[in-house]
Amino acid sequence: SQQGEEDPQALSIQEGENATMNCSYKTSINNLQWYRQNSGRGLVHLILIRSNEREKHSGRLRVTLDTSKKSSSLLITASRAADTASYFCATDKNTDKLIFGTGTRLQVFP
Amino acid sequence: GAGVSQSPSNKVTEKGKDVELRCDPISGHTALYWYRQSLGQGLEFLIYFQGNSAPDKSGLPSDRFSAERTGGSVSTLTIQRTQQEDSAVYLCASSLGYRGRNTEAFFGQGTRLTVV
Repeated sequence: SQQGEEDPQALSIQEGENATMNCSYKTSINNLQWYRQNSGRGLVHLILIRSNEREKHSGRLRVTLDTSKKSSSLLITASRAADTASYFCATDKNTDKLIFGTGTRLQVFP
Repeated sequence: GAGVSQSPSNKVTEKGKDVELRCDPISGHTALYWYRQSLGQGLEFLIYFQGNSAPDKSGLPSDRFSAERTGGSVSTLTIQRTQQEDSAVYLCASSLGYRGRNTEAFFGQGTRLTVV
């Protein structure tokens, strides 16, 4: 079964707005990562946050991690049409195996 | 190579035939993953190789699926007696995979398998 679940499943916003996606997971983790996928092919790594970190920034991306609630959020600020894609969280436990969530499909309208 | 390479990029096969999907990871990456993704769905974990350790095969959906990794580099995913429900995009990824400190995974562009 999937370790992570993202919500919402789909999100539509206008350019310039912020987009927030959430990820919940079931068991303890070492790390949580966010990936982006265009057109149903290869995924691209966005950001990694370790279990002892609470917040991380990279450009227009902000990730938070709450291990007590077993949840993470990805915020994309000032969204652009080019941000349109599917976004996935992935977690690993001590075995290092990466397990992906169900994904959020983001549509940004110009 | 510069990235993870998968071949073929597309494969159409008849039901009941065997198929082999190939993955060339990034040189020096000890961890290699196979995932399956059906249209509009998330990534389903299939199998994970880490260095010389025994692979984690817990995600393989049936005994028709097998994978090997030769010399710690190239990996082949084999599906025997393909069924229509095997149609999906098969994604391979590799990472440096330091034990206990996972790193980002680099993905290939996938193989789109269609069983007719």
